[in-house]
Amino acid sequence: AQSVTQLGSHVSVSEGALVLLRCNYSSSVPPYLFWYVQYPNQGLQLLLKYTTGATLVKGINGFEAEFKKSETSFHLTKPSAHMSDAAEYFCAVSRSGSARQLTFGSGTQLTVLP
Amino acid sequence: DTAVSQTPKYLVTQMGNDKSIKCEQNLGHDTMYWYKQDSKKFLKIMFSYNNKELIINETVPNRFSPKSPDKAHLNLHINSLELGDSAVYFCASSQGEQFFGPGTRLTVL
Repeated sequence: AQSVTQLGSHVSVSEGALVLLRCNYSSSVPPYLFWYVQYPNQGLQLLLKYTTGATLVKGINGFEAEFKKSETSFHLTKPSAHMSDAAEYFCAVSRSGSARQLTFGSGTQLTVLP
Repeated sequence: DTAVSQTPKYLVTQMGNDKSIKCEQNLGHDTMYWYKQDSKKFLKIMFSYNNKELIINETVPNRFSPKSPDKAHLNLHINSLELGDSAVYFCASSQGEQFFGPGTRLTVL
């Protein structure tokens, strides 16, 4: 079984500051890991994913995440926050070999302050 | 050229009614899903279909019945709506990563 824990349901950063959204996973098999973003009143959009290979994954809009097996973590970062980054962010895990059954974390609301 | 579309976007109805939400994808994907997002933004998978065949059916009341007339469509029919059914319902499709529709906000009064 897989599960995901996102630490911090709300995160606020100043524009230009580092964004760090935390995600820890639990999986009995090698996982696939994902970060999705949800803008207000919209569906989810894939930011980035880790399947195999390089543990540092770069995504869209300047976001990246690093898979750390020893820490069972997949934290999302962006060096400099922009006002347009304000949204809900979801970490998700699935069994390796298939992205079919995603288990989502509870989400983190990112607020960017001017 | 919308990849995954849902209709309607908003649905307001009375308790006890029956309603349907439609989903269509033009990506040629084999697998489609329905998710429920509650008021606390928690997302949970409800159903998954692969080539019109049900492959995931989470613990969902049998008032919810998915129907897949073809690979590109997965509709969700809900009987005897209850207050607790109020949520945003998302359709998704995948052939690898999942692509989500814009959501249908269902409000049961």
